[in-house]
Amino acid sequence: DTGVSQNPRHKITKRGQNVTFRCDPISEHNRLYWYRQTLGQGPEFLTYFQNEAQLEKSRLLSDRFSAERPKGSFSTLEIQRTEQGDSAMYLCASSPRLAGSNTGELFFGEGSRLTVL
Amino acid sequence: KNEVEQSPQNLTAQEGEFITINCSYSVGISALHWLQQHPGGGIVSLFMLSSGKKKHGRLIATINIQEKHSSLHITASHPRDSAVYICAVGKYGNKLVFGAGTILRVKS
Repeated sequence: DTGVSQNPRHKITKRGQNVTFRCDPISEHNRLYWYRQTLGQGPEFLTYFQNEAQLEKSRLLSDRFSAERPKGSFSTLEIQRTEQGDSAMYLCASSPRLAGSNTGELFFGEGSRLTVL
Repeated sequence: KNEVEQSPQNLTAQEGEFITINCSYSVGISALHWLQQHPGGGIVSLFMLSSGKKKHGRLIATINIQEKHSSLHITASHPRDSAVYICAVGKYGNKLVFGAGTILRVKS
């Protein structure tokens, strides 16, 4: 399978616990994005990487959130001291880089659904 | 005001009808994406376009850069087209901004 893979697909945790999500992008894609989606809303940008460099981080990403892409391949998104408001679907997408720094077609994973009790 | 506005928010159509979903944006963009999301979360890219028109099967996407507007058309709609359709714009600098989505239900 050469699609974008995310795990775990579902995570239920108690408030205050830490959680980590993993995303494996399509292998030849150098751009990787994290988005968050709540019910009835479109995805909201969290952060993106070009290779291993984190190029932009949304103001939505508080200090409790950290994302890494250490070798320019898979990425992890960690949420520390989870709060009920963190409950959402966390989506990962990857894309190739086009000429002129533009974004190529996006390929999304199935998402990781977080429920904080 | 959101940078990306979609209309309508909800749309119910009868099988076979021609459907149009609109997207307006207020920022300079490098490309516009139309995405489809089925219940359960999976998002599929339908089109990426920066000018003119693209067609894939029964789906047609158009964009007018001067008017900052795009439309997604579905011809001969079918119940399996029922999904959320999302417009997203790629801003210069590469961050994508998403519309809230249009919930489409096609009845047989």
